[in-house]
Amino acid sequence: EAAVTQSPRSKVAVTGGKVTLSCHQTNNHDYMYWYRQDTGHGLRLIHYSYVADSTEKGDIPDGYKASRPSQENFSLILELASLSQTAVYFCASTGSSYEQYFGPGTRLTVL
Amino acid sequence: GEQVEQRPPHLSVREGDSAVITCTYTDPNSYYFFWYKQEPGASLQLLMKVFSSTEINEGQGFTVLLNKKDKRLSLNLTAAHPGDSAAYFCAVTPFWGSSGNKLIFGIGTLLSVKP
Repeated sequence: EAAVTQSPRSKVAVTGGKVTLSCHQTNNHDYMYWYRQDTGHGLRLIHYSYVADSTEKGDIPDGYKASRPSQENFSLILELASLSQTAVYFCASTGSSYEQYFGPGTRLTVL
Repeated sequence: GEQVEQRPPHLSVREGDSAVITCTYTDPNSYYFFWYKQEPGASLQLLMKVFSSTEINEGQGFTVLLNKKDKRLSLNLTAAHPGDSAAYFCAVTPFWGSSGNKLIFGIGTLLSVKP
C-alpha cells in the first residue's frame, strides 16, 4: 500500500516565525501535493510538484513556499507564519492513475 | 475552471437508514471521480474511483453512481452504521491530462449515524 508520512504531526508556532512541514513518500510517485484543510472549506491546494527540483503554485499559494529536493521528499515552508495559517496540512502523492494517497496530516497552530 | 458542489454539508441518520451524498461538477471533460472518507482526527482514505459514464460501483456497504450526462456523482451508504460516521469528500479530475494530475475537492459532508 502507498505510504506517505509527514512530520511533525503537530506544531505550535509563533506569529512571524518560520515553519517547515515535511513529507516523505515511498510510492515512487512523481506527483506530490500540499493541501490545507479548514472547517467549511474542504481541501485546498497550496503547492504541488511533478518532478524533483520543481514546484508549481496551487490555488492558495500566498504565504507559502515549497521545496522538492528529491522524488521522495516535499516540504512546505511558511517563512512568516500568521494566525490565518492555523490549519491542518495534508501531503499527498499520486502516480499516473490519479488517485491521491494522503499522509496523516500536520496540525499547525500559530499563536 | 472546474467547480465541484457537494451536498449536504451535514447529514444525520439513524442506524440502518440510507445516506446519500451528491456532488455536481461543471467541466463536462472531467475524467476521474473519487470518494474519500475521513474519520475524526484521521487522514483521507480512498473509498472508490470511477471513470466510466453512468457507472454504478458497489463497495462494502455503499454504492457510487456516476452520471456524466447530468454531471453528477453520488455516494449512497446503504444501511448505515455508527462506524460510517465520518466526513466524506468527492473529488474530480478536471480533464484528461490536466496539469499536475490535480483533483478538485468538494467541501465535504459530515455524516453522523446515530444508534
